Amino acid sequence: AQSVTQLGSHVSVSEGALVLLRCNYSSSVPPYLFWYVQYPNQGLQLLLKYTTGATLVKGINGFEAEFKKSETSFHLTKPSAHMSDAAEYFCAVSEGQAGTALIFGKGTTLSVSS
Amino acid sequence: DVKVTQSSRYLVKRTGEKVFLECVQDMDHENMFWYRQDPGLGLRLIYFSYDVKMKEKGDIPEGYSVSREKKERFSLILESASTNQTSMYLCASSLGQGANEKLFFGSGTQLSVL
Repeated sequence: AQSVTQLGSHVSVSEGALVLLRCNYSSSVPPYLFWYVQYPNQGLQLLLKYTTGATLVKGINGFEAEFKKSETSFHLTKPSAHMSDAAEYFCAVSEGQAGTALIFGKGTTLSVSS
Repeated sequence: DVKVTQSSRYLVKRTGEKVFLECVQDMDHENMFWYRQDPGLGLRLIYFSYDVKMKEKGDIPEGYSVSREKKERFSLILESASTNQTSMYLCASSLGQGANEKLFFGSGTQLSVL
């Protein structure tokens, strides 16, 4: 069965600092991997996804993630944090079969201080 | 833009009541999903549907049922609400059958069971 582990339920950075949110997955087949973001009082929205091809994936708002099969990881990064990045971030995995659903991690809350 | 509409933002119900949570999407999406979101637990899949009148159990279906009579509407039913079902409920939809499809989320229904 597939699963997702997000290391660190809460990450705090200063404005302008590097953002690194960690995600490790478990899957018996090549996975599809996603990062979603939830701003306060809003639904989730897709930041980026990896399906096949290039392992470095760029998303919205300057975020990117790299699929590393050997490490079973899909960490999310942004070179310079902005106050508006404060939100909850969820990593998710799918086994890539039609008729299946995404499995989400427990989430990481990102705080950005000035 | 795709719109996923959940009928209520906040709902307060009594223990033992039958509760209906409604979700409607306006873009002819094939797949629809119900998740519940709890602090520290992330999103957990309750049920999903990949076609009208079809349903699949997710990770935590106990105490819930669903109905999908029309393509655009997916209802979550709590047959006899209990206090441990107090949670944020999120509905989502995706266009096709592929597991790499982007999910579109509603804003959520915060259900309190007293």
